[in-house]
Amino acid sequence: SQQGEEDPQALSIQEGENATMNCSYKTSINNLQWYRQNSGRGLVHLILIRSNEREKHSGRLRVTLDTSKKSSSLLITASRAADTASYFCATGGGSNYKLTFGKGTLLTVNP
Amino acid sequence: SQTIHQWPATLVQPVGSPLSLECTVEGTSNPNLYWYRQAAGRGLQLLFYSVGIGQISSEVPQNLSASRPQDRQFILSSKKLLLSDSGFYLCAWSVTVSGNTIYFGEGSWLTVV
Repeated sequence: SQQGEEDPQALSIQEGENATMNCSYKTSINNLQWYRQNSGRGLVHLILIRSNEREKHSGRLRVTLDTSKKSSSLLITASRAADTASYFCATGGGSNYKLTFGKGTLLTVNP
Repeated sequence: SQTIHQWPATLVQPVGSPLSLECTVEGTSNPNLYWYRQAAGRGLQLLFYSVGIGQISSEVPQNLSASRPQDRQFILSSKKLLLSDSGFYLCAWSVTVSGNTIYFGEGSWLTVV
């Protein structure tokens, strides 16, 4: 069953603005990951945050994790048209080799 | 560096025909291998995963099957396709131990007509 649920389902912003996407999940996790998917392509791993971490940065990406609320957020700062893609959160728990993906947030960055 | 290749990229098959999608990983040994399916506007559904040669775990009962004849080769098959098998199929791999970041192939679009 799918555990992660992204919110919103779609987000449209102007270039230069920040984009925030949220992910909620239901059960205990070992880590949470964010992936990006350009239309019709495979998914690309962006960032992994472990359950004992609260915040992580990678370039223009900032991820937070609140295990008490079972939620995570992905912030993309100073967005670019090339950031247009679907963004998925994936949760890992239990066995080490199965991730559960949400349905994704479609981000459109308008030039 | 590790790479993953998946083919064919696009496939149109009639109902009742067989299916074979292939995936190979290079630059690593004993990877975990996965087949996911993504329906339009939906998330990813894990179909099969494998932790070693000949070891296949099925997540969703269906008319698809998977095989791992070699360490870095993963094959998704069907004897008779259904319309509902249409979708975007993604092969992926991960390191066996220490974290489970998954690396995806470019995907295969299957349309069953």
